[in-house]
Amino acid sequence: AQSVAQPEDQVNVAEGNPLTVKCTYSVSGNPYLFWYVQYPNRGLQFLLKYITGDNLVKGSYGFEAEFNKSQTSFHLKKPSALVSDSALYFCAAKPVGTGGFKTIFGAGTRLFVKA
Amino acid sequence: ETGVTQSPTHLIKTRGQQVTLRCSSQSGHNTVSWYQQALGQGPQFIFQYYREEENGRGNFPPRFSGLQFPNYSSELNVNALELDDSALYLCASSPRTVGSYEQYFGPGTRLTVT
Repeated sequence: AQSVAQPEDQVNVAEGNPLTVKCTYSVSGNPYLFWYVQYPNRGLQFLLKYITGDNLVKGSYGFEAEFNKSQTSFHLKKPSALVSDSALYFCAAKPVGTGGFKTIFGAGTRLFVKA
Repeated sequence: ETGVTQSPTHLIKTRGQQVTLRCSSQSGHNTVSWYQQALGQGPQFIFQYYREEENGRGNFPPRFSGLQFPNYSSELNVNALELDDSALYLCASSPRTVGSYEQYFGPGTRLTVT
């Protein structure tokens, strides 16, 4: 079965320090990869995506993600964390060639940034 | 530009009842997907609608059904509710254009089945 794994339930980081939220995927072919963020009592908000090309993609709010095909990983990064970055982060993969549906989400990683 | 909206915000139903959840897609988006997010889990794909037809379905039983209307708004219907149906139901729209595969989510409907 195809899946997306986020191995850390929670990541704790001090404000101003770099952060990494890990994601690996087990999806056939060359899936499209996404990161979304969810704030309390709100829907998911798109952060960034990898479709093809450069392995480092930049997104909203200073976030970036590094794609590694050999390790089937798509880790989310930010050089300097803010307290306001504290939220629930979801990695997702969309298999290519499935007619445009079925995005597979990980279970989520809660990021806590301490002032 | 109006984002994705969902109604109602919260809903409490009894086991065995039926429920209808509603979603208005973002302006210009012709594809709507529905997801179930149980507590502490990631969203699970239920189905997707494109041009008023179901375009794909996840591992959900037939008692989960939907509709898409000419204005691209959508409904999710769940019959014979079970306790395990308690979850946050998310609607997401997308423009279905080349290169634009991300989805735009509404705030969700919190369904509690007692």
